Amino acid sequence: DAKTTQPPSMDCAEGRAANLPCNHSTISGNEYVYWYRQIHSQGPQYIIHGLKNNETNEMASLIITEDRKSSTLILPHATLRDTAVYYCIVRVALGSSNTGKLIFGQGTTLQVKP
Amino acid sequence: NAGVTQTPKFRVLKTGQSMTLLCAQDMNHEYMYWYRQDPGMGLRLIHYSVGEGTTAKGEVPDGYNVSRLKKQNFLLGLESAAPSQTSVYFCASSAVQATGRNEQFFGPGTRLTVL
Repeated sequence: DAKTTQPPSMDCAEGRAANLPCNHSTISGNEYVYWYRQIHSQGPQYIIHGLKNNETNEMASLIITEDRKSSTLILPHATLRDTAVYYCIVRVALGSSNTGKLIFGQGTTLQVKP
Repeated sequence: NAGVTQTPKFRVLKTGQSMTLLCAQDMNHEYMYWYRQDPGMGLRLIHYSVGEGTTAKGEVPDGYNVSRLKKQNFLLGLESAAPSQTSVYFCASSAVQATGRNEQFFGPGTRLTVL
């Protein structure tokens, strides 16, 4: 699985968009980009994933560059409850040849401030 | 649905004692995982299972054993606890999906202290 690089911490004002970057320059063609977050001491929570197209769901948007070497998670209107550690993970999808293991780095600690 | 549950939530052990952590899921997922998280670190995979009766080693398997006798349960055992095993333990489960979502659902964690 490809390695990812994220900034260790970021701040964001409440109500503003939070843009969290992730570099994954060694990503392979069949690897997805996944984002999870961990709110203080709880188990991680899935946010969104993508292969090459931009994706949006009720929680966030994921923008993947055309060369797929980097991506950005966007929380459009950050709230105090979005304060968490955000993990960017790259791996192939589950299947007979892959067991879906997630390799967590140290992630980005996002602090949303009032 | 309860999702993924873990028992116990907290435990304090003395060095050399043994214990078993229980993970249960009611989503009929094939895949289950045990992770540990040390302070200020990301999660690290201990063991995992791709189906009932099968288990495999992850990144940090030493000092732990696992069993998956029933599809819904995944047990993590510490035969002789050491202070280095003080950590928060998370269980997760996942299903194969054609969309690639393969979301892992995590339990609330077990906080283990070994004195």
